[in-house]
Amino acid sequence: KNQVEQSPQSLIILEGKNCTLQCNYTVSPFSNLRWYKQDTGRGPVSLTIMTFSENTKSNGRYTATLDADTKQSSLHITASQLSDSASYICVVSGGYGNNRLAFGKGNQVVVIP
Amino acid sequence: DAGITQSPRHKVTETGTPVTLRCHQTENHRYMYWYRQDPGHGLRLIHYSYGVKDTDKGEVSDGYSVSRSKTEDFLLTLESATSSQTSVYFCAISEGAGGVGEQFFGPGTRLTVL
Repeated sequence: KNQVEQSPQSLIILEGKNCTLQCNYTVSPFSNLRWYKQDTGRGPVSLTIMTFSENTKSNGRYTATLDADTKQSSLHITASQLSDSASYICVVSGGYGNNRLAFGKGNQVVVIP
Repeated sequence: DAGITQSPRHKVTETGTPVTLRCHQTENHRYMYWYRQDPGHGLRLIHYSYGVKDTDKGEVSDGYSVSRSKTEDFLLTLESATSSQTSVYFCAISEGAGGVGEQFFGPGTRLTVL
């Protein structure tokens, strides 16, 4: 069973609108949670990294939240742009010295004009 | 792409042939990783290296071997390619252990095994 589940699998939004992506995980122990953006045909690029003590973190129009108690995270995109069309991947780390990260399958976002 | 290059970027090969993919970094990071990405799956770790000549297996290591003779280069070899190894392969690097340090990904290599 995948330890990181993301929803929705895909969504289409109008340019300028906001959207929220969800990530639920079962990884334990927990060290940190990362959100990556992956454009088509390219490698993933880090957006945010949050440890258990952080419950919100922003990177421009991207805001990630983390609830370590319920093991849930969200990524909010504000005022979407066409360049936000990408796959957003939630990644959870199980702790120091653990080189194996748990990857979600990604949220595919398409922004239309 | 954080000083990471992968070669080749695209390759088509036939079943049973050996294939070597190269990852080169200019960041002098200690840790290097090989992942594969397939539709319907998240990124999956094949092998990783925690120093020159120090490597370990990931979750999908069967059919793959790796070598790291220099800090900057990490090679992934498919000894006898199979169609199930058709995938997009990503190299990643991190300064600290993967569980803590941020991982930076290369541009990927698309491999097709006919």
